[in-house]
Amino acid sequence: GAGVSQSPRYKVAKRGQDVALRCDPISGHVSLFWYQQALGQGPEFLTYFQNEAQLDKSGLPSDRFFAERPEGSVSTLKIQRTQQEDSAVYLCASSLTLNTGSQHFGDGTRLSIL
Amino acid sequence: RKEVEQDPGPFNVPEGATVAFNCTYSNSASQSFFWYRQDCRKEPKLLMSVYSSGNEDGRFTAQLNRASQYISLLIRDSKLSDSATYLCVVTSISSGSARQLTFGSGTQLTVLP
Repeated sequence: GAGVSQSPRYKVAKRGQDVALRCDPISGHVSLFWYQQALGQGPEFLTYFQNEAQLDKSGLPSDRFFAERPEGSVSTLKIQRTQQEDSAVYLCASSLTLNTGSQHFGDGTRLSIL
Repeated sequence: RKEVEQDPGPFNVPEGATVAFNCTYSNSASQSFFWYRQDCRKEPKLLMSVYSSGNEDGRFTAQLNRASQYISLLIRDSKLSDSATYLCVVTSISSGSARQLTFGSGTQLTVLP
């Protein structure tokens, strides 16, 4: 399809395991954003990329969180040594340029840490 | 205090009712303003932008008051399909020059038959 694609749709992991979440943005979109959405809350910014450059990672909650976009298209959000508080929906969004407030979101990955 | 605050809701209204949502933001440097809609277990989708002059899109009217740092959304003649969570969103320029979206917690609307 033409939208933002995220995988897996659901992920269950045991506390302490590492997880990797994938985002495939809309083709040609320069900017890619990761958000974390806890139950009953709005999405909260984690990090963003302009092409392959990670320009802002101020929202990453700890050094266990790492994101990359090596070729400027697909991005991976990795969480090491997962904790229960990492349970949330992780949303990826892309936009054509840096200067648009209109972002296109993927369906998200629902992460549950047991 | 959260940077974007919304009515806590939930709002339960009958079909055909008019409903209004309010939102305030604390960052006076915020540059752009939006309402997003999020259906249960789905991704947020842009509903409409918000301008100081006010803007209307069919049954939806959005208004921005920069002096009061206040944003509103009015839905007239509400439909069952309007049931969703409405997210107030403001943008500011982040350290990397992108427009970073800051979301409110959302207001849940249920339109009843």
